[in-house]
Amino acid sequence: TQLLEQSPQFLSIQEGENLTVYCNSSSVFSSLQWYRQEPGEGPVLLVTVVTGGEVKKLKRLTFQFGDARKDSSLHITAAQPGDTGLYLCAGTPLSGSARQLTFGSGTQLTVLP
Amino acid sequence: GAVVSQHPSRVICKSGTSVKIECRSLDFQATTMFWYRQFPKQSLMLMATSNEGSKATYEQGVEKDKFLINHASLTLSTLTVTSAHPEDSSFYICSANRGYEQYFGPGTRLTVT
Repeated sequence: TQLLEQSPQFLSIQEGENLTVYCNSSSVFSSLQWYRQEPGEGPVLLVTVVTGGEVKKLKRLTFQFGDARKDSSLHITAAQPGDTGLYLCAGTPLSGSARQLTFGSGTQLTVLP
Repeated sequence: GAVVSQHPSRVICKSGTSVKIECRSLDFQATTMFWYRQFPKQSLMLMATSNEGSKATYEQGVEKDKFLINHASLTLSTLTVTSAHPEDSSFYICSANRGYEQYFGPGTRLTVT
């Protein structure tokens, strides 16, 4: 059983559409990160959320951390082909090592022109 | 953001040989680094935690004698794949903690023929 469940696993949309990716767990996380990865490259950190209920915006991307710090979402407005990539949520469980990340299963996003 | 480098970016080796992959934190010191393995279109799988000055901690199912990890300094960790076989072909990624955020290297594509 995956500690962090990410959905959807695959998403293919047209340019200009909006989308939301979810990251859910039954465990509490002290912090949660979102990464974007392109083929043949390492994941690039997009944002870190640490406070329950926190909302962070990065241009067209909006990240939210659940009040109970068990879930998070990534919303992209007016998606562009350049947003195509593998989106990964990852977090540090409250009960685990402070340095080790637990990864979600990933969401492969394809934005068609 | 913090920079983590990996070398080489791609390597092709013959079955039975050993391959060393380097991971460096370029602008910060990292007492802990992590090694991941990733298959196409999938999330990252943690292989081991590399600790500066002490033995690495391996995840369940990862052979420590096959994947040798050395963390000799605060900016360098190495992963050596010993007696490589075709099934070891994969994308290997390292990361390092800076505070509570984890930064990833660009990855190394290993192909064993």
